[in-house]
Amino acid sequence: DQQVKQNSPSLSVQEGRISILNCDYTNSMFDYFLWYKKYPAEGPTFLISISSIKDKNEDGRFTVFLNKSAKHLSLHIVPSQPGDSAVYFCAASDLGSGNTGKLIFGQGTTLQVKP
Amino acid sequence: NAGVTQTPKFQVLKTGQSMTLQCAQDMNHEYMSWYRQDPGMGLRLIHYSVGAGITDQGEVPNGYNVSRSTTEDFPLRLLSAAPSQTSVYFCASSTGLPRGETQYFGPGTRLLVL
Repeated sequence: DQQVKQNSPSLSVQEGRISILNCDYTNSMFDYFLWYKKYPAEGPTFLISISSIKDKNEDGRFTVFLNKSAKHLSLHIVPSQPGDSAVYFCAASDLGSGNTGKLIFGQGTTLQVKP
Repeated sequence: NAGVTQTPKFQVLKTGQSMTLQCAQDMNHEYMSWYRQDPGMGLRLIHYSVGAGITDQGEVPNGYNVSRSTTEDFPLRLLSAAPSQTSVYFCASSTGLPRGETQYFGPGTRLLVL
């Protein structure tokens, strides 16, 4: 059973517009959420995170929103740039994991930003 | 400072063969993990370690063994390779604090089992 789901396998947006990537989770014990970005033939790199005590976290062009009641989070990229074209993974960890680094990942969404 | 390194980058095995995927980090991180990435499945945790001598199973541990004799190295062993183990394998390391941000991934090992 997939505990973290990214239901959109792909997303295409025009350069300069907003990209919105969505993620849903089922485990109410998840208390920390992260987004990773992955280019082909490279490992994922950390992008932004949010704790369950917050509903928004912003870092430059990237903002993550968390709706705990809906068990939903989203990543907004504004404005989108061609260099943002990559696979984006949503990930979560739960209280029981402590600080072990154990993460549960979604399936990923491939973002294409067209010039 | 090389970060997380993985060898080999690519490997072809025949069913039943064994091999070890190597992972090393030079950041003195306590926590290390192995994930596999499959199409439509995202990254799934195979095994992880919270320090030298301590390992535990993740979501998909069957068919894989690990050990952690030093802080730097965390090899993943396939004792008898199966086609279902065809995947891209990522090793990651983390300080564990704060949670999540400091998890660094290696470049991956692409494994094909025939």
